[in-house]
Amino acid sequence: KAGVTQTPRYLIKTRGQQVTLSCSPISGHRSVSWYQQTPGQGLQFLFEYFSETQRNKGNFPGRFSGRQFSNSRSEMNVSTLELGDSALYLCASLQSNTGELFFGEGSRLTVL
Amino acid sequence: DQQVKQNSPSLSVQEGRISILNCDYTNSMFDYFLWYKKYPAEGPTFLISISSIKDKNEDGRFTVFLNKSAKHLSLHIVPSQPGDSAVYFCAASEEVGANNLFFGTGTRLTVIP
Repeated sequence: KAGVTQTPRYLIKTRGQQVTLSCSPISGHRSVSWYQQTPGQGLQFLFEYFSETQRNKGNFPGRFSGRQFSNSRSEMNVSTLELGDSALYLCASLQSNTGELFFGEGSRLTVL
Repeated sequence: DQQVKQNSPSLSVQEGRISILNCDYTNSMFDYFLWYKKYPAEGPTFLISISSIKDKNEDGRFTVFLNKSAKHLSLHIVPSQPGDSAVYFCAASEEVGANNLFFGTGTRLTVIP
């Protein structure tokens, strides 16, 4: 079956702009989470959605937001971009019976 | 505040020898621990996990050891192969099936042929 799909894979924005990233989980997976990966910080949990509801949220400012649609697809949005938002944004869907997270290849955001 | 720490950013090992990757954590509520492997331009992939009721879990060449009193876990790869060269992330959660994992900063393993 198809894996977790993230779009776009790469994008470049300038400070002050906003960006929307998309994630399609593995078919049948209802829980989607987002992570930010930066050098030296590892993967930092952003938020998790299940059945269109945010269940958990990490320690990120309100500029970072997300949502989940009825088909389990998810989007995350970052507004008023800052240079420090440059990172790889990873989406993961959860296989609930094993607890295994399956990650997408990520969306690499560069903020100039 | 990094609740999961991997203090070695890199490790080089000769092919055929043992690779030992270490991870420490601070949150005593963590109950489930995982290792993920990441190749460049790919998302992390699940490798092996262990729950707090065990102190060892083995899967082929990969073994994870957990020392709860020391809040320490390690991943052993024996024998190491060049294809094992990747970044390894340790992760922890308060329960199995939690989607909000706490990750370490990763250790880049290089296996030298």
